[in-house]
Amino acid sequence: QVQLVESGGGVVQPGGSLRLSCAASGFTFSDYGMHWVRQAPGRGLEWVTFIRFDGGNKYYAASVRGRLTISRDNSKNTLYLQMNSLRREDTAVYYCVKADGGYLYYDMDVWGKGTTVTVSS
Amino acid sequence: ETVLTQSPGTLSLSPGERATLSCRASQSVGSSYFAWYQQKPGQAPRLLIYGSSNRATGIPDRFSGSGSGTDFTLTISRLEPEDFAVYYCQQYGSSPITFGPGTKVDIK
Repeated sequence: QVQLVESGGGVVQPGGSLRLSCAASGFTFSDYGMHWVRQAPGRGLEWVTFIRFDGGNKYYAASVRGRLTISRDNSKNTLYLQMNSLRREDTAVYYCVKADGGYLYYDMDVWGKGTTVTVSS
Repeated sequence: ETVLTQSPGTLSLSPGERATLSCRASQSVGSSYFAWYQQKPGQAPRLLIYGSSNRATGIPDRFSGSGSGTDFTLTISRLEPEDFAVYYCQQYGSSPITFGPGTKVDIK
């Protein structure tokens, strides 16, 4: 079945870096766009970033632009999120999410279980 | 940025009752680009409705979506015990993609 499994979360100091990974299975990964969506403790959902099916276009929320970078390796069916210059407000559960098409303007039809990032000294 | 406002913040109902959740957008959203998600405690969100009125795979027909322009509605015709959760609306027609703050449906 379609599955997304995130890894790489943990505790990091402010200003530090972390790389999240998302292993995809059960569908043709290279046909679909992928998102990262986050949820701070006790808060709602916040869209973070999107990458087109072929990696050709990337979109970012203003709050993370210049600090977080999305990428993908279609040969490994894996999505990444490189997180640099982390701030306390980046503390959240990060979800890997499949788009229902190759481009940005599709619904989010499959969600991973999430990985927790905590930015704290 | 398209800001989404959901009302009410909390809806207290009993099993078997009808739930009506509203979402208003700060600017017009194409009806093809509007969705609803359900989230239960400790779980990832789940897609319920896409394209404002299309049920996602496996979603029971007691869930229905409607609306256009700036006003959208999610209706649960008869609440089942497993429906008590938080519901988020979302627009994906323009970047940045945005979510509403959520409506919590809890047991009265």
